[in-house]
Amino acid sequence: DSGVTQTPKHLITATGQRVTLRCSPRSGDLSVYWYQQSLDQGLQFLIQYYNGEERAKGNILERFSAQQFPDLHSELNLSSLELGDSALYFCASTEISTGNYGYTFGSGTRLTVV
Amino acid sequence: ILNVEQSPQSLHVQEGDSTNFTCSFPSSNFYALHWYRWETAKSPEALFVMTLNGDEKKKGRISATLNTKEGYSYLYIKGSQPEDSATYLCAFNNDMRFGAGTRLTVKP
Repeated sequence: DSGVTQTPKHLITATGQRVTLRCSPRSGDLSVYWYQQSLDQGLQFLIQYYNGEERAKGNILERFSAQQFPDLHSELNLSSLELGDSALYFCASTEISTGNYGYTFGSGTRLTVV
Repeated sequence: ILNVEQSPQSLHVQEGDSTNFTCSFPSSNFYALHWYRWETAKSPEALFVMTLNGDEKKKGRISATLNTKEGYSYLYIKGSQPEDSATYLCAFNNDMRFGAGTRLTVKP
């Protein structure tokens, strides 16, 4: 157990639907990163939050949004889902905003859009 | 280089061989370079965080070097074992831009 908790582990949903993925960072970590790994692709950075505020944005679609709550857990909302959104979604956390101390990954949420 | 590039894309070696692969990154605005080990069906696991030009880090049979001026880092594995089989990822700076990884397969 890395200390970063992602729920659910698996999710199957239909096209056009909306889902929410949840990430609880390791205790004491203020920064949360979201990544997408599609089939045979590397890790694509989506978005970073630090202590409740958006810090950096990557290749995140407009249909996707995220937020970090006062208790530091984060949610990634995916709407109007398409088949191509099927992927493994990871979150990672670190103590501070700069990542000097390394990042801890959760075990991921596997999303299947049918 | 605008993005993080890793080479080779995949590598097959025999047990006992030593091997190395490369991570290239933009040499300007460098802050940190991270190496991760990613086994199938698991989440990426941090190996090293490197911040200073000339840094050398070691963890068991795995070591890494960093050249920030020319924008590359090498990861070395000495005496590869089948359990070293994984994808090795590097990531650059705060926004953690990952390379596509080097997939290492060590044959017994």
